[in-house]
Amino acid sequence: AQSVAQPEDQVNVAEGNPLTVKCTYSVSGNPYLFWYVQYPNRGLQFLLKYITGDNLVKGSYGFEAEFNKSQTSFHLKKPSALVSDSALYFCAVRDMTGANNLFFGTGTRLTVIP
Amino acid sequence: GAGVSQSPSNKVTEKGKDVELRCDPISGHTALYWYRQSLGQGLEFLIYFQGNSAPDKSGLPSDRFSAERTGGSVSTLTIQRTQQEDSAVYLCASSLGGLVSETQYFGPGTRLLVL
Repeated sequence: AQSVAQPEDQVNVAEGNPLTVKCTYSVSGNPYLFWYVQYPNRGLQFLLKYITGDNLVKGSYGFEAEFNKSQTSFHLKKPSALVSDSALYFCAVRDMTGANNLFFGTGTRLTVIP
Repeated sequence: GAGVSQSPSNKVTEKGKDVELRCDPISGHTALYWYRQSLGQGLEFLIYFQGNSAPDKSGLPSDRFSAERTGGSVSTLTIQRTQQEDSAVYLCASSLGGLVSETQYFGPGTRLLVL
């Protein structure tokens, strides 16, 4: 069965500092991993995904994520946080074993402090 | 349109009433998904449509929930005899062809409040 864990409900970081939002996953086969961001009263916006190839994936708004197969992790990172990055971040996974949907973590609320 | 649209954006209803939520996917996208986001929880899959294939209803929480997709485009999610625990944000997403690696693009959601 597929599952995603986001161990931190809340992450606070000072503006200009690097940020990390953690995600670990469990799947039966090869994973397809996604990060989405949700701003207040908005739907989910796609940030980036890992399908295959280079373990470091670059996405929108300066975000990147590193796929680590041995640690079953896909942490989201940004070198320098902006106040406008404050939002709710979701990690999601799919694999090839038959489920049609994405499996989402419970989300991590990122607050960037000016 | 440029993105997935949903209507209404907000819906307040009384317990026991039926509600219909609408989703208009990105033009040309054959795959359509409904998810539910409850307060403090992640997204819960409800139903999936792909082209003319039979929908995957495995995520529907009860027989009060149903959905249809007419003409391979617009979808309607119907909740009959609403209960307070149905209060949530209902999100619709679409993707080009339903492949596992494809990005799902989400609409802004319908916020449902059952009094």
